[in-house]
Amino acid sequence: DAGVTQSPTHLIKTRGQHVTLRCSPISGHKSVSWYQQVLGQGPQFIFQYYEKEERGRGNFPDRFSARQFPNYSSELNVNALLLGDSALYLCASSSGTGEYEQYFGPGTRLTVT
Amino acid sequence: SQKIEQNSEALNIQEGKTATLTCNYTNYSPAYLQWYRQDPGRGPVFLLLIRENEKEKRKERLKVTFDTTLKQSLFHITASQPADSATYLCALLWYTGRRALTFGSGTRLQVQP
Repeated sequence: DAGVTQSPTHLIKTRGQHVTLRCSPISGHKSVSWYQQVLGQGPQFIFQYYEKEERGRGNFPDRFSARQFPNYSSELNVNALLLGDSALYLCASSSGTGEYEQYFGPGTRLTVT
Repeated sequence: SQKIEQNSEALNIQEGKTATLTCNYTNYSPAYLQWYRQDPGRGPVFLLLIRENEKEKRKERLKVTFDTTLKQSLFHITASQPADSATYLCALLWYTGRRALTFGSGTRLQVQP
């Protein structure tokens, strides 16, 4: 079975631009979470979606938004990019919300110049 | 707000020895705690989960303890191998507030042959 997949692998954007990151969960998983990981730090929670509804949101500005589609895949959108948005963006899927182990994708490395 | 502390300094040990990593948290105890392994440039991989009412969990060479009095979890790798070299992250979930998985910054383990 395929694991969590993310696209693109790497991305370089300019300040002020917009970016869309994509994630496909493990087959059968209905929950997708997004995390931002800055070098040397642990992943920081951005959003969780379950059955296409937002179930949680981290301390990120409104420039960050996400959605989940009927096939449970998900997109993370970031508007008006700042240099500080440069990070590894991780998507994780799980069977449900709560005490379920999370399966992470390889991440998308975003560089903002 | 809740804080998680992991030793930011790398842990260097000899092959065959037991590695012990620490995760401390502030304020009230989480509902459960998870440990993940992360290799450079890759997403975290789930290792173990321990609940608030459990003292210890084992899986092969891995052991996790959870002391709610000390507000601490210890993660042990027995008979360590060079292949165990990675960054280990603890992640906690509290059933109040945002209910999002909160990660520590991780501890890098280096096992010398």
